[in-house]
Amino acid sequence: QKEVEQNSGPLSVPEGAIASLNCTYSDRGSQSFFWYRQYSGKSPELIMFIYSNGDKEDGRFTAQLNKASQYVSLLIRDSQPSDSATYLCAVTGSSASKIIFGSGTRLSIRP
Amino acid sequence: DAGITQSPRYKITETGRQVTLMCHQTWSHSYMFWYRQDLGHGLRLIYYSAAADITDKGEVPDGYVVSRSKTENFPLTLESATRSQTSVYFCASRGEFNQPQHFGDGTRLSIL
Repeated sequence: QKEVEQNSGPLSVPEGAIASLNCTYSDRGSQSFFWYRQYSGKSPELIMFIYSNGDKEDGRFTAQLNKASQYVSLLIRDSQPSDSATYLCAVTGSSASKIIFGSGTRLSIRP
Repeated sequence: DAGITQSPRYKITETGRQVTLMCHQTWSHSYMFWYRQDLGHGLRLIYYSAAADITDKGEVPDGYVVSRSKTENFPLTLESATRSQTSVYFCASRGEFNQPQHFGDGTRLSIL
């Protein structure tokens, strides 16, 4: 079992709809959870982080964390074509020295 | 400008050559990381460093050497490059525990 798992996609969502990206992790001691966006040919860019159970909202983005289920998700409201990218889920392990990345989910927003 | 910079952005070299990729950050972050990214593999950790003079292996360290004599620099050396090391290399840094990482723009390395 991979330490951080994501559906590779592609996930196709119509413009204006809500995109829902999901991630599960294996280390119950994980403390910090991050979402990065990566455009083709570019480096990963941090878009959200969450440390506590529940929801955290930032503009059109909402991160959701459920530590009991070892599940973290990212919702993108009012999806725009510019949201088309690969989204990487990342989790700090219990040792907290390394951040473990999932393989990413490709999101495509269709006009 | 503050941030994390990688050089060169692009490099072409031949098998058997030594090549060094540079990474410099101006945030005084404790942690620095080197990743490679290949199609179908996502980001794979090569080496990381928790502080100057402290380095540790990641998932795929074979064929690579790192050093960290100064907090702000973390060079990655391929001692004898092989074609399988053709990849995009990303350097990242972060502060103390639970802080997010920030990435450099990457180095696209081709080994012929």
